[in-house]
Amino acid sequence: DAGVIQSPRHEVTEMGQEVTLRCKLISGHNSLFWYRQTMMRGLELLIYFNNNVPIDDSGMPEDRFSAKMPNASFSTLKIQPSEPRDSAVYFCASSLRPGQAYTGELFFGEGSRLTVL
Amino acid sequence: AQSVTQPDIHITVSEGASLELRCNYSYGATPYLFWYVQSPGQGLQLLLKYFSGDTLVQGIKGFEAEFKRSQSSFNLRKPSVHWSDAAEYFCAVGAANFGNEKLTFGTGTRLTIIP
Repeated sequence: DAGVIQSPRHEVTEMGQEVTLRCKLISGHNSLFWYRQTMMRGLELLIYFNNNVPIDDSGMPEDRFSAKMPNASFSTLKIQPSEPRDSAVYFCASSLRPGQAYTGELFFGEGSRLTVL
Repeated sequence: AQSVTQPDIHITVSEGASLELRCNYSYGATPYLFWYVQSPGQGLQLLLKYFSGDTLVQGIKGFEAEFKRSQSSFNLRKPSVHWSDAAEYFCAVGAANFGNEKLTFGTGTRLTIIP
């Protein structure tokens, strides 16, 4: 089975540009998590969804960040406008919800490394 | 709120030596506990997890971890490390309740293996 698929793997952009990161969940999973990893702050949860509905977006830094799940298998994380401090590796992870052979495990993609100049 | 502390930022171990990485958690109820490993440029891979039952859990690549409720700890161990174990290791805690399925990660411990 294919794992969580993220694109692009690397993105270099200039300050002020719009950035869109994409994530495809593992088939059958219904929870989706976006994490950001930096040297200074480690792994931070930005937002997560259950069955396409955002449950906790308290980690989203500010209004420049938005995330959507247009369908059960796909999500986007958008930054508009981007700033140099947004440079980080962004991970997407998926899991099953509790009650459905739940294991608690998150399955991570390989990440999208964003550099904002 | 749940939290995880990994007190060791960087550990260096000789190949063949034993390893213990420390993890302390804070959570009001029985937690779900995880150890993940991250190689450079890669995502996080699950090593092992604890839900309930036997407090000593076995994982992949010869790793094990022991849940000690009295110490709020979940330390990771390996009897004999291999050069391929060099990576970053993350401990995580979760609640596994509806509406609170997120995992909170520690800051990680970087493991260096010397010949």
